[in-house]
Amino acid sequence: KAGVTQTPRYLIKTRGQQVTLSCSPISGHRSVSWYQQTPGQGLQFLFEYFSETQRNKGNFPGRFSGRQFSNSRSEMNVSTLELGDSALYLCASSLVPKGRGTEAFFGQGTRLTVV
Amino acid sequence: AQKITQTQPGMFVQEKEAVTLDCTYDTSDPSYGLFWYKQPSSGEMIFLIYQGSYDQQNATEGRYSLNFQKARKSANLVISASQLGDSAMYFCAMREGGSSNTGKLIFGQGTTLQVKP
Repeated sequence: KAGVTQTPRYLIKTRGQQVTLSCSPISGHRSVSWYQQTPGQGLQFLFEYFSETQRNKGNFPGRFSGRQFSNSRSEMNVSTLELGDSALYLCASSLVPKGRGTEAFFGQGTRLTVV
Repeated sequence: AQKITQTQPGMFVQEKEAVTLDCTYDTSDPSYGLFWYKQPSSGEMIFLIYQGSYDQQNATEGRYSLNFQKARKSANLVISASQLGDSAMYFCAMREGGSSNTGKLIFGQGTTLQVKP
């Protein structure tokens, strides 16, 4: 059974550009969450999608957005990139968002560098 | 407010010995789940073990066990018979249940474990 797939693995962008990251969850999983990991702030929750609906959003500016498709694949977009957006972006999938046994399985992440 | 605290930034352990990584949490929700993840230098977060707040027994998964002390709000990870491949960053995380309509995970700052040969 394939795990969570994130593409691309590495990305270098220039300030002011925009970027789209992709996440394919484990087959059958309908819940996808995104996290940003930086050395200074640690792991911070970005947003959560379930059945194509955003259920929760973290404390990030509106430049960060996401969506989920009918096949549960998810994308996140960051517009007008800033140097501080350089981070490892991790996607997690679960069968459903919460409840007993709904472990979140993570992908390998996309390492974004903004120059 | 929900919070996870890992007070050990770095730990060393001798190969084949056991090690305990500390985690304390704070929540007012009686229903919650606690997770431990391992993050090697490659970046992937690997799920290790889960403990539900209503579980009567401590969770175990192979060499990993979770020492759950509800009254003290602690959920320490115990790794038995450490191996060189256990060297990584370890994160404790919490997901609230109850009326919360989200699967959002709250993470601690992590503990770097180094296994010495």
